[in-house]
Amino acid sequence: AQSVAQPEDQVNVAEGNPLTVKCTYSVSGNPYLFWYVQYPNRGLQFLLKYITGDNLVKGSYGFEAEFNKSQTSFHLKKPSALVSDSALYFCAVRWYSSASKIIFGSGTRLSIRP
Amino acid sequence: ETGVTQTPRHLVMGMTNKKSLKCEQHLGHNAMYWYKQSAKKPLELMFVYSLEERVENNSVPSRFSPECPNSSHLFLHLHTLQPEDSALYLCASSQDQNTGELFFGEGSRLTVL
Repeated sequence: AQSVAQPEDQVNVAEGNPLTVKCTYSVSGNPYLFWYVQYPNRGLQFLLKYITGDNLVKGSYGFEAEFNKSQTSFHLKKPSALVSDSALYFCAVRWYSSASKIIFGSGTRLSIRP
Repeated sequence: ETGVTQTPRHLVMGMTNKKSLKCEQHLGHNAMYWYKQSAKKPLELMFVYSLEERVENNSVPSRFSPECPNSSHLFLHLHTLQPEDSALYLCASSQDQNTGELFFGEGSRLTVL
């Protein structure tokens, strides 16, 4: 069955330190991979995507993600965290079989302490 | 400022009420979606419309009735809801139903008393 997993419900990082939010997936075929961020009482905002090409993808607000095909992972990273990065982060994967499907992970709450 | 606008942002209704959620996208996209977001649960895809035609209906109770009169507008009609239907309802759009990222509205927070 197709699935997306975010193994950590919460990630806590000190401001200025690097951060990683993990995502692994299991889909057939070639996936399209996405990261979204959600601030309190707001909708989801698109951060970045991987379709094909370079495994390191750069996105909004200084975030980047690395596609690793052998490990079926797409971890979100940032070299230096800001307090304003505190939010809920969702990984999503889209794939195509007889029709296009997209599923979201359960979300990881990122908390950056000053 | 997103290209997807949802109204109302907050709605409180009794179980016997009829209300509607509205979504409008200004991005020229061809696909629109309704998602339900409940606390501590994954995002649940409810409906997908492509070029005003419903292409997916994920076993959603009939008390939720979608309507897509054109490619820019999407409604979710609500009737005789249950308290467990209280959630954040998110509308999204994408260029088409097969590729690309979703663009989300701010959501409509629904409380059913």
